[in-house]
Amino acid sequence: ETGVTQSPTHLIKTRGQQVTLRCSSQSGHNTVSWYQQALGQGPQFIFQYYREEENGRGNFPPRFSGLQFPNYSSELNVNALELDDSALYLCASSLGVQEVWGYTFGSGTRLTVV
Amino acid sequence: RKEVEQDPGPFNVPEGATVAFNCTYSNSASQSFFWYRQDCRKEPKLLMSVYSSGNEDGRFTAQLNRASQYISLLIRDSKLSDSATYLCVVNMRQSGGQNFVFGPGTRLSVLP
Repeated sequence: ETGVTQSPTHLIKTRGQQVTLRCSSQSGHNTVSWYQQALGQGPQFIFQYYREEENGRGNFPPRFSGLQFPNYSSELNVNALELDDSALYLCASSLGVQEVWGYTFGSGTRLTVV
Repeated sequence: RKEVEQDPGPFNVPEGATVAFNCTYSNSASQSFFWYRQDCRKEPKLLMSVYSSGNEDGRFTAQLNRASQYISLLIRDSKLSDSATYLCVVNMRQSGGQNFVFGPGTRLSVLP
């Protein structure tokens, strides 16, 4: 059984650029949640996708958008990058949205905006 | 008030010590609760779920008090390898979906 994988592991972008981060969910999981973790803080919920539909969104601007594919993998897109977008972006997958057993996270993508 | 709050830390304790972390949450409709552990520059990993009756896993004991909206984690006989940040996580039903809300974390350093 494969775990959650994210790519790339590290990325450096310039302010104003666009970035796409990718996540492959754990085998059998149909729900993907994305989190942003700034240095020294806890992860902040960005949004969740369930069966290719957005199923909840945190307090992030519209330039943060996502997509889930029929195989349940997912992308996080960020437009017009700002310096404050520098963070660790974490993806977690689960079976269904009523997750009571806890999420399994990927190892994350560390984004640096300069 | 933040949705999930934790002891600010850091906690520096000697090996063998007992250490307790506290967490409070604001949403009384919260449904499930967890403690995660995060090593430096790594992803959070599930340490244990927290049940209403309290639960224990080896040296780790978690307690939940729904009336006070309070969760705790106790680590006994701490080891050097316990050094990490401990994140309290509350699963809330929010408008537009359900999501895990993380606390800011409490950093623990176990010293030789």
